[in-house]
Amino acid sequence: EAGVTQFPSHSVIEKGQTVTLRCDPISGHDNLYWYRRVMGKEIKFLLHFVKESKQDESGMPNNRFLAERTGGTYSTLKVQPAELEDSGVYFCASSHQQNYGYTFGSGTRLTVV
Amino acid sequence: SQQGEEDPQALSIQEGENATMNCSYKTSINNLQWYRQNSGRGLVHLILIRSNEREKHSGRLRVTLDTSKKSSSLLITASRAADTASYFCLTNMMTGNNRLAFGKGNQVVVIP
Repeated sequence: EAGVTQFPSHSVIEKGQTVTLRCDPISGHDNLYWYRRVMGKEIKFLLHFVKESKQDESGMPNNRFLAERTGGTYSTLKVQPAELEDSGVYFCASSHQQNYGYTFGSGTRLTVV
Repeated sequence: SQQGEEDPQALSIQEGENATMNCSYKTSINNLQWYRQNSGRGLVHLILIRSNEREKHSGRLRVTLDTSKKSSSLLITASRAADTASYFCLTNMMTGNNRLAFGKGNQVVVIP
């Protein structure tokens, strides 16, 4: 089966611009998660979708971040406007059920200059 | 809140040596996974150990799990330069809305 796909793999934008990251989970996986690793620090949870619903968005840093999963398939994470501290690697993962079988995407490296 | 914590957080070793990393967690888990991240790239799944398992091997990797101490260790034997990366444990907690938690990560540098 195809894995979790993230696009783009790398994005360089200027401060104040908008960027949209996309994650295509494994087909049939209801659970979709976003994580990020900022400035080489720990990986932090952003949010969790179950199908199209936001199960937990407690990790979203502020209202500049907007995640959607229309139709319960792929998800987008928009950062608007981007700030320098948003630079990092954004990971997406999906799973069929919450306990097992997480598959992570290769990540999107975001650089805000 | 962060569930796992690794100790030490930075490790520099010579090629051929073994590298050991530890991960501690606070609540009961279903399973624990170790991941590697190379130079800001994607996360690579290394190994999963379930709560009823005590030790698991995969190639040069050996993972142990002590649920009584709520800790896990990752041993990389005969390290190679290509093992240079950040290593993270990911715990799957039994309770809580967000059941996944990454540890802080260990930076391992293998010197050729």
